[in-house]
Amino acid sequence: AQKVTQAQTEISVVEKEDVTLDCVYETRDTTYYLFWYKQPPSGELVFLIRRNSFDEQNEISGRYSWNFQKSTSSFNFTITASQVVDSAVYFCALSEVIYGQNFVFGPGTRLSVLP
Amino acid sequence: DTEVTQTPKHLVMGMTNKKSLKCEQHMGHRAMYWYKQKAKKPPELMFVYSYEKLSINESVPSRFSPECPNSSLLNLHLHALQPEDSALYLCASSQAGTSGRAGTDTQYFGPGTRLTVL
Repeated sequence: AQKVTQAQTEISVVEKEDVTLDCVYETRDTTYYLFWYKQPPSGELVFLIRRNSFDEQNEISGRYSWNFQKSTSSFNFTITASQVVDSAVYFCALSEVIYGQNFVFGPGTRLSVLP
Repeated sequence: DTEVTQTPKHLVMGMTNKKSLKCEQHMGHRAMYWYKQKAKKPPELMFVYSYEKLSINESVPSRFSPECPNSSLLNLHLHALQPEDSALYLCASSQAGTSGRAGTDTQYFGPGTRLTVL
């Protein structure tokens, strides 16, 4: 079965610090997709990134970067120079092509960035 | 335009009421989803529509009844709910899936309806 683990339940950092959110997944599929979503206090889930299992290149988008390592089944998310507006719950999600039916969300990590 | 809209934003209803939640997207997506999210938990899938047909029902009680009148609209009809059904209800849409199945493409979410059942 698909499974996503986000071991950090809550993280607090001071503004301008870098922070890494961990995501570890389990799948028996060889083709799958990994996602990160941000959920601010307003409630809407905001899409951040989608990565397929054949693309292990790391990605950078502004202050955000993602490190995908198939060898350790991890897809970690780093925010550089964090800002108060980054405070939110961040979800990692997995979708299998063959064996799974749908998104499986991890439990989420609540990030608080303090001024 | 990656917008999914949901109405109403907030809903308070009694256990004997009948109400509906509405979701709309104009991205040309052919898969639409309903999720339920309790506080401090991840979203839980309820229903998936693919090409206007119900493709997945995750063992949701019959007091929740989905409807997909056309490719842009998704409704969730509520009847005889229980207080434990109070939650944030999220709608999402996506392409119908690279393998023809819903669920593998990026899902875009609406702002949700916060439901309170008294």
